[in-house]
Amino acid sequence: GAVVSQHPSWVICKSGTSVKIECRSLDFQATTMFWYRQFPKQSLMLMATSNEGSKATYEQGVEKDKFLINHASLTLSTLTVTSAHPEDSSFYICSARGTSGGWTDTQYFGPGTRLTVL
Amino acid sequence: KQEVTQIPAALSVPEGENLVLNCSFTDSAIYNLQWFRQDPGKGLTSLLLIQSSQREQTSGRLNASLDKSSGRSTLYIAASQPGDSATYLCAAPRSGAGSYQLTFGKGTKLSVIP
Repeated sequence: GAVVSQHPSWVICKSGTSVKIECRSLDFQATTMFWYRQFPKQSLMLMATSNEGSKATYEQGVEKDKFLINHASLTLSTLTVTSAHPEDSSFYICSARGTSGGWTDTQYFGPGTRLTVL
Repeated sequence: KQEVTQIPAALSVPEGENLVLNCSFTDSAIYNLQWFRQDPGKGLTSLLLIQSSQREQTSGRLNASLDKSSGRSTLYIAASQPGDSATYLCAAPRSGAGSYQLTFGKGTKLSVIP
C-alpha cells in the first residue's frame, strides 16, 4: 500500500516549451500533495503545497506563474513547468499525505521526474 | 525556521560494520521525524517514522532514535551490507503548529564496501 506514482519518469524538452508532470496516489486518497525539486548533490527543496480543490501554496522564491499546480482530485496533482528554460532542469519529486487513519502522519514519495531542458 | 543538519556528509565502511548516522534539528516542537533512503537518480523510500511521543523505532537492521530535548535523531544500521549503499535523508516538519511541510537535511551518502 501507500504507492505514489509520477509520470513521466523523465522528459527532455526544448527551451520555451511547457511540460506537465503528474503525481498520483494509487491506493489512498491524498488531501495534500507536495512538490519538491532536487538539484544534483543537493537535498530536496519544497516548492509548493497542493490541497485538493484549492489553490496551491508556494514557497518563497518559487514563481507561481511558472510552476502551475493543479490538484483536481484526491488522487491526482499536476505540476506544469511553463516556458521551461535550462535552469529549470532538475529532479522533481512529489509526495502525498493521506486523509485519515494511519496515512496522515507520513508522506509517501513518488519516484521522481527528471526534467532536462535543452 | 526549521533547519536540519546531517553529519557526516559521506561515510564509507566495510561490510558487516555497525554504523550511526546523525541528524540534528533546530526547532524541537515537532510531532514526528522521518528517515528516508534515496538511491542515485531515484525517489525517496521511507525507512522509519518516529512520533514525538516515541524515543525510537526499529525495522529490521535499522533503529532510529529521537531526542527532542536535544534536537537530535540517530539512525543505527546493524551489520551493514553493500545493498545499504545509498543516501540517507532525515526530515523534520517545519516550524509552526500543524505544519506538514518537511525540511530535509542534505543527507549522508553511505558506501558499504564488500
